Amino acid sequence: DAKTTQPPSMDCAEGRAANLPCNHSTISGNEYVYWYRQIHSQGPQYIIHGLKNNETNEMASLIITEDRKSSTLILPHATLRDTAVYYCIVRGGTYKYIFGTGTRLKVLA
Amino acid sequence: DVKVTQSSRYLVKRTGEKVFLECVQDMDHENMFWYRQDPGLGLRLIYFSYDVKMKEKGDIPEGYSVSREKKERFSLILESASTSQTSMYLCASSGVATGGPISNQPQHFGDGTRLSIL
Repeated sequence: DAKTTQPPSMDCAEGRAANLPCNHSTISGNEYVYWYRQIHSQGPQYIIHGLKNNETNEMASLIITEDRKSSTLILPHATLRDTAVYYCIVRGGTYKYIFGTGTRLKVLA
Repeated sequence: DVKVTQSSRYLVKRTGEKVFLECVQDMDHENMFWYRQDPGLGLRLIYFSYDVKMKEKGDIPEGYSVSREKKERFSLILESASTSQTSMYLCASSGVATGGPISNQPQHFGDGTRLSIL
């Protein structure tokens, strides 16, 4: 599975869009990009996933670049409850997830 | 919404005890997984199951076994608990997409069991 690189931390003002980047330059054609978040003392929560097209659901949007080497998770109107560690994972053809160190997002009042 | 329920949020056991961690999912998912999460080590896969009575070893199966007698339930067993098994244990499940058992469907996690072995 491809390795991902994320910034270790980010701040975002409440009510603004939070844009979390992820680099996955070694991604291969059959690998999907998944985003999860983990709030302290809870299990990882699935947010969204995609292959090559941009995706949107009730929680977030996922923008994948045309060459698929990077992606951005967008939380359109961040709230205090969005404060968490966000993980970008690339996976294909295997059961296993490899969680990196993620981005610690802090939403500021 | 997918619901994965782990039987205990916190558990304290003694060295040498046999420990059972239970996980139930309500989405009729074929695949179920057990991970442990430790600071600095991320999530590590212990075992997974892609069907009733089927199991596959993950990356760190030593000292653990699993049981899947019913589709909705996946149990993790610590045969003789040791202090090195103090950890957060996470159960997950996922469905099967067309094209084979290795699914690109996302895994959905429970809230975890924080296990302390004294």
